Amino acid sequence: GAVVSQHPSWVICKSGTSVKIECRSLDFQATTMFWYRQFPKQSLMLMATSNEGSKATYEQGVEKDKFLINHASLTLSTLTVTSAHPEDSSFYICSARSLLQGHQETQYFGPGTRLLVL
Amino acid sequence: GQQVMQIPQYQHVQEGEDFTTYCNSSTTLSNIQWYKQRPGGHPVFLIQLVKSGEVKKQKRLTFQFGEAKKNSSLHITATQTTDVGTYFCAGGAGSYQLTFGKGTKLSVIP
Repeated sequence: GAVVSQHPSWVICKSGTSVKIECRSLDFQATTMFWYRQFPKQSLMLMATSNEGSKATYEQGVEKDKFLINHASLTLSTLTVTSAHPEDSSFYICSARSLLQGHQETQYFGPGTRLLVL
Repeated sequence: GQQVMQIPQYQHVQEGEDFTTYCNSSTTLSNIQWYKQRPGGHPVFLIQLVKSGEVKKQKRLTFQFGEAKKNSSLHITATQTTDVGTYFCAGGAGSYQLTFGKGTKLSVIP
């Protein structure tokens, strides 16, 4: 149980285009989803916290107008990288917090999306 | 803000040797979680520790949470090649957000 999927797993795009990444909790409901970015050989960096039905909370230094987050339902959150540039190339990972009793604050991670901006 | 330091950054061991990674927080934690990330993969949840002084074991892995709830360790006994990957600790401090350490990359030499 507690499976999180991400789509797409790989995306290559031209500079200036927008890219949408989907994060779904497949077998549980998650009121909160998190978006992380991971550069090569570095740790996960939290970008934003997404709550169902409300605006996302962004971490300091993350541009909310560039990284648009929508959490339309208890099982789906999307991250749109607008006007992507080569420095946005990274590994984007979402996680979802389970509401199931006993899971407490456990986060379940999606498989990640590798973005390459040319 | 809360900071989580993890050492060492890299560790190379001979297969069969033990391995330990340490995690220290600048603030008292409500819980600490450990994740393993295989090369090219995503973090996979290993365990969560909540109680002061807690020790949990998963086969060859032993997890400890310090008495002050500010540090933690992961110890692997008799490493195997399947243990290769980066081990991250992540500290929770009352909210549901986690602060990740930078991870310890483990290489196992057959």
